[in-house]
Amino acid sequence: RKEVEQDPGPFNVPEGATVAFNCTYSNSASQSFFWYRQDCRKEPKLLMSVYSSGNEDGRFTAQLNRASQYISLLIRDSKLSDSATYLCVVVGDSSYKLIFGSGTRLLVRP
Amino acid sequence: DTGVSQNPRHKITKRGQNVTFRCDPISEHNRLYWYRQTLGQGPEFLTYFQNEAQLEKSRLLSDRFSAERPKGSFSTLEIQRTEQGDSAMYLCAYGGPTYNEQFFGPGTRLTVL
Repeated sequence: RKEVEQDPGPFNVPEGATVAFNCTYSNSASQSFFWYRQDCRKEPKLLMSVYSSGNEDGRFTAQLNRASQYISLLIRDSKLSDSATYLCVVVGDSSYKLIFGSGTRLLVRP
Repeated sequence: DTGVSQNPRHKITKRGQNVTFRCDPISEHNRLYWYRQTLGQGPEFLTYFQNEAQLEKSRLLSDRFSAERPKGSFSTLEIQRTEQGDSAMYLCAYGGPTYNEQFFGPGTRLTVL
């Protein structure tokens, strides 16, 4: 079983739609969680951290469910520019090694 | 605009050749990381430096791989006797202000023929 699992998608949604991605992780001792965004053939870019209390940044909301060991990302009012691969990230036991999921691809169509 | 530059951006080599990649943090960053990303996968951790000290190497880093960070500034990653399976994007990252945040450079795309 992979340490971090994501639905690869693609999620194909119209502009303005709300879309949600989930991610599950296997190590219950993990303490830090992130979502990164990666455009085609570019480096991953930090989108947001995921806190136990949940956090929101504009149209993006991240949630953490420690009991079920899953992380979610909600994107409201999707824009064409949101089309990308979204990577779920868990910090490993060593507290500095990022463990990435394989990513979920989002396509936003006009 | 990233906090690290990587060179070269692309490298095509023949199997069996040695290659070296360089990562230059734009400003001083104590923590520096190397990851490898293959098509359709997320990045995988390779190694980590705290200043000039290499604190961890992944089991993915075979004996053909070596990384250095002399003087705690730039870092190099060398692959000896390249194999086709080494074809990947090699990403350098630096640690952000929050302990676990990491920010990636543009990467070096390696193709082994």
